[in-house]
Amino acid sequence: ETGVTQTPRHLVMGMTNKKSLKCEQHLGHNAMYWYKQSAKKPLELMFVYNFKEQTENNSVPSRFSPECPNSSHLFLHLHTLQPEDSALYLCASSQDNKQGPWNEQFFGPGTRLTVL
Amino acid sequence: EDQVTQSPEALRLQEGESSSLNCSYTVSGLRGLFWYRQDPGKGPEFLFTLYSAGEEKEKERLKATLTKKESFLHITAPKPEDSATYLCAVQVGQGGSEKLVFGKGTKLTVNP
Repeated sequence: ETGVTQTPRHLVMGMTNKKSLKCEQHLGHNAMYWYKQSAKKPLELMFVYNFKEQTENNSVPSRFSPECPNSSHLFLHLHTLQPEDSALYLCASSQDNKQGPWNEQFFGPGTRLTVL
Repeated sequence: EDQVTQSPEALRLQEGESSSLNCSYTVSGLRGLFWYRQDPGKGPEFLFTLYSAGEEKEKERLKATLTKKESFLHITAPKPEDSATYLCAVQVGQGGSEKLVFGKGTKLTVNP
């Protein structure tokens, strides 16, 4: 596997289900991100992990819960979602400089989530 | 409020017809500007990073430029395979509170 991988690629869930999205990066990076992409809207940053520490939580509802067990893996745990949460969820990674501007982020293919 | 606006929303070109995409931004403290390409059903693919006004970067038929208020992505003699949505993003914040603010993108279609 190369680059950034995400599983599953497609997910359909009911509002009472609990599911998890998985992301793995094979680039040796130290920062990972979750984004939400909805139709007609810009990409929205949800969470940032630098060196396994969460450094950004962009006012995301608590029904989304991230987990970063190591610098290569990132999870997004989902529970009691709403239909408006249906979107493409993208994971990205980068080599963070800590002090300077960010380096470019490399994205995975995304998980297309549909909440019924 | 930090804002990124891309124009036009959609652009149709004939193969070989050069044009430019615009990304204008209103942010407090630009740390970097990024261009990405996104094909349907895929994640964004990195193209360029620009850090300061006057900077230019080139890759094949694409050239990105940056001023204090906007960036342009110039496409010279485009081919059908250049059809995609082009996203612009600016990095704002510092000291652990950085984030990328994206525009809505420009959907480019190049007809043969």
